[in-house]
Amino acid sequence: AQKVTQAQTEISVVEKEDVTLDCVYETRDTTYYLFWYKQPPSGELVFLIRRNSFDEQNEISGRYSWNFQKSTSSFNFTITASQVVDSAVYFCALSLPLSGNTGKLIFGQGTTLQVKP
Amino acid sequence: EAGVTQSPTHLIKTRGQQATLRCSPISGHTSVYWYQQALGLGLQFLLWYDEGEERNRGNFPPRFSGRQFPNYSSELNVNALELEDSALYLCASSLLYLGGGSVENSPLHFGNGTRLTVT
Repeated sequence: AQKVTQAQTEISVVEKEDVTLDCVYETRDTTYYLFWYKQPPSGELVFLIRRNSFDEQNEISGRYSWNFQKSTSSFNFTITASQVVDSAVYFCALSLPLSGNTGKLIFGQGTTLQVKP
Repeated sequence: EAGVTQSPTHLIKTRGQQATLRCSPISGHTSVYWYQQALGLGLQFLLWYDEGEERNRGNFPPRFSGRQFPNYSSELNVNALELEDSALYLCASSLLYLGGGSVENSPLHFGNGTRLTVT
């Protein structure tokens, strides 16, 4: 069975702190994609990153960085020097393109991040 | 470039009625996806349409249905509404392409959602 687990339900930090959001996934497929989405209070899901299972290179985009480790089935997301505007619900998701499920994302339960000024 | 647009923003219906939700994809995207975000249940895949055809369906009863029009916009219809259908319904769009020998989709881009309340 495929599953995404975000064990942290809520995280609260003070502005400028670094914060890491954890994501653990389960799948027997060897080809898969992992995603992170941000959902601000307005409701829309904002795409942040997609990684495929064959690319374990970590990625950095400004204050955001992602650590993909197949050995531990984890795809963690770190925000450096957090800002109030980072406050949102963050979702990790998995898709299995070779299982006839193109476009079907399996989402974790989400982590609510609150950044206090 | 305009993003995915959904209408209406809010919809209030009574149990047993029908609801129709609409979605316009990003220009050039041929695939439309519908997701339900219900309190306590998280984000669940509902339906996928591409080129006017239903391609995949999540674990939802047949009273959840939809269609995709020639301009790639889409409607989601929910018949015989039940209280537990109250949720945020998110539409997403993407492009399909051939990658590594299989059909894959570009990352999904989501709209702002329609908040459906069933009383």
